Amino acid sequence: DGGITQSPKYLFRKEGQNVTLSCEQNLNHDAMYWYRQDPGQGLRLIYYSQIVNDFQKGDIAEGYSVSREKKESFPLTVTSAQKNPTAFYLCASTQKPGETQYFGPGTRLLVL
Amino acid sequence: SQKIEQNSEALNIQEGKTATLTCNYTNYSPAYLQWYRQDPGRGPVFLLLIRENEKEKRKERLKVTFDTTLKQSLFHITASQPADSATYLCALAGFTGGGNKLTFGTGTQLKVEL
Repeated sequence: DGGITQSPKYLFRKEGQNVTLSCEQNLNHDAMYWYRQDPGQGLRLIYYSQIVNDFQKGDIAEGYSVSREKKESFPLTVTSAQKNPTAFYLCASTQKPGETQYFGPGTRLLVL
Repeated sequence: SQKIEQNSEALNIQEGKTATLTCNYTNYSPAYLQWYRQDPGRGPVFLLLIRENEKEKRKERLKVTFDTTLKQSLFHITASQPADSATYLCALAGFTGGGNKLTFGTGTQLKVEL
């Protein structure tokens, strides 16, 4: 089955800790995206990548980092610099930027 | 600044009626406008895409209109069912600069009652 997987489903972060969220796709899409969703709010773009070894900051990149070493994978690291990391994180991919995006099931990050 | 507005109040309708959701935008020249459905605790699922030169798009019980003069899209679900209850998000991709990414509205929650 083709699709996007995210892991883990729930993630707990301690003060001062970096954590990494996984995103994998087998849709052969070049473009991948990371969004953050807070309760009652829309999706806000953190980072996106249109091709392997290249990525751009979105609207709220501070406190986050990404890598794109393989086409299938686009992991997101939430660093200790992100002071309010509690949110629902969504990964997406698309065959053509600006058109239909396919989303993963999301990771909910909580702070201990 | 660019802004996308969706009604933040939940829309409650009776089963069998037509639900109409609104998406308004300002300071934007979208190339595409899209509608997604999101269930609680899940990722959004794509429903329909309409291009700036199209007025209307249909898919089964769904219909989207796009008025670039009014800067508005309407999303209709006919013969609504309780299973249609979800949050519906509109998203825009622009012609210049932002054409390679989507900007999402905050979504409108739809509740279809028996």
